[in-house]
Amino acid sequence: AQSVSQHNHHVILSEAASLELGCNYSYGGTVNLFWYVQYPGQHLQLLLKYFSGDPLVKGIKGFEAEFIKSKFSFNLRKPSVQWSDTAEYFCAVSYTGGFKTIFGAGTRLFVKA
Amino acid sequence: NAGVTQTPKFQVLKTGQSMTLQCAQDMNHEYMSWYRQDPGMGLRLIHYSVGAGITDQGEVPNGYNVSRSTTEDFPLRLLSAAPSQTSVYFCASSSLPGQGVEQYFGPGTRLTVT
Repeated sequence: AQSVSQHNHHVILSEAASLELGCNYSYGGTVNLFWYVQYPGQHLQLLLKYFSGDPLVKGIKGFEAEFIKSKFSFNLRKPSVQWSDTAEYFCAVSYTGGFKTIFGAGTRLFVKA
Repeated sequence: NAGVTQTPKFQVLKTGQSMTLQCAQDMNHEYMSWYRQDPGMGLRLIHYSVGAGITDQGEVPNGYNVSRSTTEDFPLRLLSAAPSQTSVYFCASSSLPGQGVEQYFGPGTRLTVT
């Protein structure tokens, strides 16, 4: 079955630290990859996505992610986190031609001011 | 545009009761879906629809029914609530799945079954 693995369930960082959240999906095919973010008390919103072209994609609020096809990975990065980045982050994958989006278990990020 | 709206925001049910969670979108999206969010498990797909009159099961459909009589509305029915259905439920909509198509989520319904 298709699956998405997020490597860390909880991450605690200090402000200005660098962030990398790991995401791997189960097998190949033509994929669409997403990172969604859920700020406390809010609903999910899109952070960034990849579906073709440059494997390094940039999203909102200084986030970026790199698609590495050979590793089935789509890791999220930010050079310097802020307290306002405290949220839960979800990696998700859909396969072109399919009707389902598979989500990872989520990573809760807490940034200490 | 209101986007995706869900009602109610909170609900407490007793075991065995039934209820309907409402979801509506005003973006003329063909695709709508229901997820449940549980700690440590991310979002799991319950049911989805690719247009009026067309629905299909997701990963965890048992205990839930859906229908899609209009493009705008996609209600989720709990037939006989069980404590295992305590969760946060999200409705989402999008264009038909394709390259780079992202989903738009509602604010969620927090359901507790006692």
